[in-house]
Amino acid sequence: DIQMTQSPSSLSASVRDRVTITCRASQSVDSYLNWYQQKPGKAPRLLIFAASTLQSGVPSRFSGSGSGTDFTLTISSLQPEDFATYYCQQTYGAPPRTFGQGTRLEIK
Amino acid sequence: QLQLQESGPGLVKPSETLSLTCSVSGGSISSSPDFWGWIRQPPGKGLEWIGSIYYSGSTYYNPSLKSRVTISVDTANNQFSLKLTSATAADTAVYYCVREQKCSGGACYATEYWGQGTLVTVSS
Repeated sequence: DIQMTQSPSSLSASVRDRVTITCRASQSVDSYLNWYQQKPGKAPRLLIFAASTLQSGVPSRFSGSGSGTDFTLTISSLQPEDFATYYCQQTYGAPPRTFGQGTRLEIK
Repeated sequence: QLQLQESGPGLVKPSETLSLTCSVSGGSISSSPDFWGWIRQPPGKGLEWIGSIYYSGSTYYNPSLKSRVTISVDTANNQFSLKLTSATAADTAVYYCVREQKCSGGACYATEYWGQGTLVTVSS
């Protein structure tokens, strides 16, 4: 199975900060990597698919990059509504799918 | 607009079978090459992919749950279901039903549509 490891597990930042979250796969997943945002009590929301393509309606301050085993999610200028937990997910080939353990982004 | 809604018991006794149904509206469960699946989240923890069923009927399961999980589709009622046998307290979680669809313009897959989630507690 493909294991996904995110870092950091938690992060404190301020509004207007630039933040980067990293996701590493245990083997190459090509560009089949998605990012989700989850707020408390809500279902996750798809932010980025195929490593770098912004889902419709997602603000342009979010961006993704990487391929193979190493990926990043960057928020260029944090807004109050961005404080949430972020998950990466690989969808390489047929299932099973796996998620990273999550990165909790908190207000400093 | 596609909508998914989970239903089923909120309380299951240990050793019994956890059963949930996902009702799909706003689209047909059999009309496009999508995966219909289940993801769970124990209280305060991360997301765990349980399994999915392709529109053709092929099923895929998390290896750690494979011996206990069955996902099936009821195309007549536009629903799909999850059965998890021999439930334990470790199965207590919010369960989400989801549609994983082919990405626009690409060969990838991503989960855009989620149900609201339903909390299932395993306790006597």
